[in-house]
Amino acid sequence: GAGVSQSPSNKVTEKGKDVELRCDPISGHTALYWYRQSLGQGLEFLIYFQGNSAPDKSGLPSDRFSAERTGGSVSTLTIQRTQQEDSAVYLCASSLAYSGTNEKLFFGSGTQLSVL
Amino acid sequence: KQEVTQIPAALSVPEGENLVLNCSFTDSAIYNLQWFRQDPGKGLTSLLLIQSSQREQTSGRLNASLDKSSGRSTLYIAASQPGDSATYLCAVKTAGNNRKLIWGLGTSLAVNP
Repeated sequence: GAGVSQSPSNKVTEKGKDVELRCDPISGHTALYWYRQSLGQGLEFLIYFQGNSAPDKSGLPSDRFSAERTGGSVSTLTIQRTQQEDSAVYLCASSLAYSGTNEKLFFGSGTQLSVL
Repeated sequence: KQEVTQIPAALSVPEGENLVLNCSFTDSAIYNLQWFRQDPGKGLTSLLLIQSSQREQTSGRLNASLDKSSGRSTLYIAASQPGDSATYLCAVKTAGNNRKLIWGLGTSLAVNP
């Protein structure tokens, strides 16, 4: 596609439910990143994929969070048993490469998650 | 531990002014420094990327400088326009094997017609 696509754009859920957030990166981009942006906080790194593997999962806040990427393309971020503190904007970005001359990041518009 | 600070947190200027946004970082061992803009309800757009060996980058009315030794970067916007209104974020990529982007909280800019 023309850009990074995220769905849904908004998600309201009840505490304790599971949610799945989807990211469709730019075609051909091998690196994919998930970030979380909370009000008044800087962007928080969650996880990064190189192809289908995740060399760095260090940012996942707890074992309720997991992510996968299939076919070197679409990625899903799953949050189990959601808590109110999970409410935030979840941003996905992709780049041609992880570092070097092709590391420019392209972001999606994000998923606004609200946990009631 | 790398920390990134952006000053001011918010800025309001009349159209046509030249302005400077500041970014400071605590560890000078960086891989690169990047500037982004974020419009309300939208994702981030990459503006400029300065490699650690570079001193500045320019794109149109935007110029970003980097002084690693003092841990500072500035984003200069010439002849500001209402369309420049957005939040500007600075991010530093750490050096070493496990490179990470460390983000500032941003400067919210309003350019008034």
